[in-house]
Amino acid sequence: DTGVSQDPRHKITKRGQNVTFRCDPISEHNRLYWYRQTLGQGPEFLTYFQNEAQLEKSRLLSDRFSAERPKGSFSTLEIQRTEQGDSAMYLCASSSNIAYEQYFGPGTRLTVT
Amino acid sequence: AQKVTQAQTEISVVEKEDVTLDCVYETRDTTYYLFWYKQPPSGELVFLIRRNSFDEQNEISGRYSWNFQKSTSSFNFTITASQVVDSAVYFCALSEALDNYGQNFVFGPGTRLSVLP
Repeated sequence: DTGVSQDPRHKITKRGQNVTFRCDPISEHNRLYWYRQTLGQGPEFLTYFQNEAQLEKSRLLSDRFSAERPKGSFSTLEIQRTEQGDSAMYLCASSSNIAYEQYFGPGTRLTVT
Repeated sequence: AQKVTQAQTEISVVEKEDVTLDCVYETRDTTYYLFWYKQPPSGELVFLIRRNSFDEQNEISGRYSWNFQKSTSSFNFTITASQVVDSAVYFCALSEALDNYGQNFVFGPGTRLSVLP
Protein backbone atom coordinates (compact mmCIF):
# COMPACT_ATOMS: atom_id res chain seq x y z
CA ASP A 1 0.00 0.00 0.00
CA THR A 2 1.74 3.14 -1.20
CA GLY A 3 1.59 6.31 0.80
CA VAL A 4 1.04 9.90 -0.27
CA SER A 5 3.51 11.02 -2.91
CA GLN A 6 4.45 14.53 -3.97
CA ASP A 7 6.35 15.85 -6.94
CA PRO A 8 8.75 17.55 -7.19
CA ARG A 9 10.50 17.18 -3.86
CA HIS A 10 12.42 20.41 -4.36
CA LYS A 11 11.79 23.43 -6.52
CA ILE A 12 13.93 26.53 -6.90
CA THR A 13 12.39 29.36 -8.87
CA LYS A 14 12.92 33.03 -9.47
CA ARG A 15 10.55 35.60 -8.10
CA GLY A 16 7.68 36.22 -10.46
CA GLN A 17 7.65 32.76 -12.00
CA ASN A 18 4.76 30.32 -11.74
CA VAL A 19 5.17 26.91 -10.13
CA THR A 20 2.95 23.84 -9.93
CA PHE A 21 3.15 20.97 -7.46
CA ARG A 22 1.47 17.59 -7.67
CA CYS A 23 0.11 15.32 -4.95
CA ASP A 24 -1.04 11.72 -5.32
CA PRO A 25 -3.03 10.63 -2.26
CA ILE A 26 -3.45 7.13 -0.88
CA SER A 27 -5.65 5.47 -3.47
CA GLU A 28 -8.74 4.79 -1.36
CA HIS A 29 -8.72 8.19 0.37
CA ASN A 30 -11.29 10.67 -0.90
CA ARG A 31 -10.16 13.62 1.24
CA LEU A 32 -7.09 15.61 0.32
CA TYR A 33 -5.49 18.52 2.14
CA TRP A 34 -2.74 21.01 1.42
CA TYR A 35 -0.64 22.61 4.14
CA ARG A 36 2.31 24.99 4.21
CA GLN A 37 5.13 24.66 6.72
CA THR A 38 7.84 27.24 7.31
CA LEU A 39 11.03 26.65 9.24
CA GLY A 40 10.47 26.07 12.93
CA GLN A 41 6.69 26.13 12.65
CA GLY A 42 3.93 23.58 12.51
CA PRO A 43 2.02 23.01 9.28
CA GLU A 44 -0.68 25.55 8.42
CA PHE A 45 -3.86 24.52 6.64
CA LEU A 46 -4.34 25.87 3.10
CA THR A 47 -7.20 24.01 1.45
CA TYR A 48 -9.26 20.81 1.45
CA PHE A 49 -10.92 18.61 -1.19
CA GLN A 50 -13.65 16.05 -0.80
CA ASN A 51 -13.30 14.03 -3.99
CA GLU A 52 -13.04 16.66 -6.75
CA ALA A 53 -14.80 19.44 -4.83
CA GLN A 54 -12.70 22.10 -3.12
CA LEU A 55 -14.72 22.71 0.04
CA GLU A 56 -12.55 24.93 2.20
CA LYS A 57 -9.85 27.52 1.65
CA SER A 58 -7.78 29.26 4.28
CA ARG A 59 -7.32 33.02 4.29
CA LEU A 60 -3.64 32.15 3.86
CA LEU A 61 -4.45 31.14 0.30
CA SER A 62 -4.12 34.37 -1.66
CA ASP A 63 -5.45 34.91 -5.17
CA ARG A 64 -2.08 33.82 -6.53
CA PHE A 65 -2.70 30.30 -5.25
CA SER A 66 -5.02 27.85 -6.93
CA ALA A 67 -5.60 24.17 -6.33
CA GLU A 68 -7.42 21.56 -8.34
CA ARG A 69 -8.30 17.93 -8.00
CA PRO A 70 -9.71 16.77 -11.33
CA LYS A 71 -11.55 13.45 -11.17
CA GLY A 72 -11.01 13.26 -7.45
CA SER A 73 -7.63 11.59 -7.73
CA PHE A 74 -4.37 13.56 -7.78
CA SER A 75 -4.26 17.25 -6.93
CA THR A 76 -2.19 20.19 -8.12
CA LEU A 77 -1.29 23.37 -6.30
CA GLU A 78 -0.21 26.30 -8.47
CA ILE A 79 1.42 29.49 -7.27
CA GLN A 80 1.47 32.35 -9.75
CA ARG A 81 3.94 35.24 -9.66
CA THR A 82 5.89 33.72 -6.81
CA GLU A 83 7.25 35.93 -4.05
CA GLN A 84 10.10 35.29 -1.63
CA GLY A 85 7.55 34.90 1.16
CA ASP A 86 6.19 31.83 -0.62
CA SER A 87 9.36 29.92 0.22
CA ALA A 88 8.23 27.02 2.42
CA MET A 89 7.54 23.32 2.50
CA TYR A 90 4.21 22.47 0.88
CA LEU A 91 2.66 19.36 2.36
CA CYS A 92 -0.15 17.24 1.06
CA ALA A 93 -2.17 14.86 3.22
CA SER A 94 -5.06 12.49 2.64
CA SER A 95 -7.61 10.71 4.78
CA SER A 96 -10.60 8.47 4.39
CA ASN A 97 -14.20 9.29 5.30
CA ILE A 98 -13.99 6.94 8.25
CA ALA A 99 -10.67 7.63 9.92
CA TYR A 100 -9.79 11.13 11.07
CA GLU A 101 -6.03 10.86 10.96
CA GLN A 102 -4.36 12.38 7.96
CA TYR A 103 -1.39 10.77 6.27
CA PHE A 104 1.21 13.16 4.94
CA GLY A 105 3.43 13.09 1.90
CA PRO A 106 7.14 14.00 1.98
CA GLY A 107 6.43 17.57 0.90
CA THR A 108 7.72 19.88 -1.82
CA ARG A 109 10.29 22.38 -0.66
CA LEU A 110 9.96 25.64 -2.58
CA THR A 111 12.73 28.22 -2.63
CA VAL A 112 12.02 31.54 -4.32
CA THR A 113 15.14 33.53 -5.13
CA ALA B 1 -10.74 29.52 17.76
CA GLN B 2 -8.80 26.34 18.20
CA LYS B 3 -5.27 26.59 19.47
CA VAL B 4 -2.51 24.16 20.40
CA THR B 5 0.37 25.13 22.67
CA GLN B 6 3.60 23.20 23.04
CA ALA B 7 5.54 25.21 25.56
CA GLN B 8 8.76 23.23 25.23
CA THR B 9 10.60 24.43 22.16
CA GLU B 10 13.57 22.09 22.53
CA ILE B 11 14.42 19.24 24.87
CA SER B 12 17.69 17.33 25.15
CA VAL B 13 17.99 14.07 27.03
CA VAL B 14 20.56 11.34 27.28
CA GLU B 15 19.69 7.96 25.85
CA LYS B 16 17.59 5.75 28.14
CA GLU B 17 16.09 8.69 29.99
CA ASP B 18 12.33 9.14 30.04
CA VAL B 19 10.97 12.33 28.53
CA THR B 20 7.51 13.93 28.49
CA LEU B 21 6.35 16.33 25.79
CA ASP B 22 3.58 18.67 26.84
CA CYS B 23 0.55 19.70 24.80
CA VAL B 24 -2.23 22.04 25.87
CA TYR B 25 -5.16 22.79 23.62
CA GLU B 26 -8.11 25.18 23.38
CA THR B 27 -11.37 24.43 21.64
CA ARG B 28 -15.05 25.25 21.96
CA ASP B 29 -16.09 22.06 20.22
CA THR B 30 -17.46 19.29 22.40
CA THR B 31 -16.36 16.70 19.88
CA TYR B 32 -12.77 16.89 18.80
CA TYR B 33 -9.73 14.76 18.10
CA LEU B 34 -6.16 15.09 19.23
CA PHE B 35 -3.13 13.72 17.45
CA TRP B 36 0.60 13.40 17.80
CA TYR B 37 2.88 13.38 14.78
CA LYS B 38 6.64 12.84 14.54
CA GLN B 39 8.75 14.69 12.00
CA PRO B 40 12.24 13.14 11.78
CA PRO B 41 15.12 14.88 10.03
CA SER B 42 13.99 13.34 6.74
CA GLY B 43 11.00 15.69 6.97
CA GLU B 44 7.99 13.42 6.51
CA LEU B 45 5.28 13.70 9.17
CA VAL B 46 4.53 10.32 10.72
CA PHE B 47 1.20 9.69 12.44
CA LEU B 48 1.61 8.33 15.98
CA ILE B 49 -1.76 8.41 17.72
CA ARG B 50 -5.32 9.72 17.60
CA ARG B 51 -7.48 10.28 20.64
CA ASN B 52 -11.10 11.44 20.58
CA SER B 53 -12.68 13.73 23.15
CA PHE B 54 -14.93 10.98 24.51
CA ASP B 55 -12.10 8.70 25.48
CA GLU B 56 -9.87 9.79 28.33
CA GLN B 57 -8.18 6.44 28.76
CA ASN B 58 -4.45 6.64 28.67
CA GLU B 59 -2.74 4.63 25.99
CA ILE B 60 0.55 2.79 25.87
CA SER B 61 2.26 1.54 22.75
CA GLY B 62 5.66 0.05 23.40
CA ARG B 63 7.89 2.82 24.76
CA TYR B 64 5.27 5.49 23.97
CA SER B 65 2.43 6.51 26.25
CA TRP B 66 -0.13 9.28 26.14
CA ASN B 67 -1.96 11.01 28.99
CA PHE B 68 -5.20 12.78 27.99
CA GLN B 69 -6.84 14.97 30.63
CA LYS B 70 -9.89 16.98 29.58
CA SER B 71 -10.00 18.80 32.92
CA THR B 72 -6.69 20.50 32.12
CA SER B 73 -7.04 20.40 28.31
CA SER B 74 -3.79 18.51 28.04
CA PHE B 75 -2.59 15.63 25.92
CA ASN B 76 0.96 14.80 26.99
CA PHE B 77 3.28 12.31 25.35
CA THR B 78 5.91 10.29 27.21
CA ILE B 79 8.77 8.32 25.70
CA THR B 80 10.24 5.77 28.08
CA ALA B 81 13.87 4.73 27.77
CA SER B 82 14.51 7.16 24.93
CA GLN B 83 16.71 6.17 21.99
CA VAL B 84 18.72 8.20 19.51
CA VAL B 85 16.19 7.30 16.80
CA ASP B 86 13.55 9.19 18.78
CA SER B 87 15.29 12.45 17.87
CA ALA B 88 12.77 14.46 15.87
CA VAL B 89 10.30 17.30 16.05
CA TYR B 90 7.03 16.21 17.63
CA PHE B 91 3.78 17.98 16.82
CA CYS B 92 0.55 17.89 18.74
CA ALA B 93 -2.53 18.64 16.62
CA LEU B 94 -6.20 19.29 17.23
CA SER B 95 -8.83 18.52 14.63
CA GLU B 96 -11.24 21.23 13.72
CA ALA B 97 -14.46 20.33 11.97
CA LEU B 98 -14.83 21.91 8.58
CA ASP B 99 -18.04 22.48 6.71
CA ASN B 100 -18.93 19.43 4.68
CA TYR B 101 -17.42 17.06 7.19
CA GLY B 102 -13.77 17.56 6.46
CA GLN B 103 -11.18 17.81 9.16
CA ASN B 104 -8.65 20.57 9.43
CA PHE B 105 -5.73 20.15 11.75
CA VAL B 106 -4.47 22.94 13.93
CA PHE B 107 -0.88 22.11 14.74
CA GLY B 108 1.18 23.23 17.68
CA PRO B 109 4.59 24.80 17.05
CA GLY B 110 6.36 21.54 17.77
CA THR B 111 8.94 20.34 20.29
CA ARG B 112 12.38 19.42 19.01
CA LEU B 113 13.66 16.38 20.92
CA SER B 114 17.35 15.52 20.81
CA VAL B 115 18.39 12.21 22.33
CA LEU B 116 22.11 12.10 22.91
CA PRO B 117 24.06 8.82 22.96
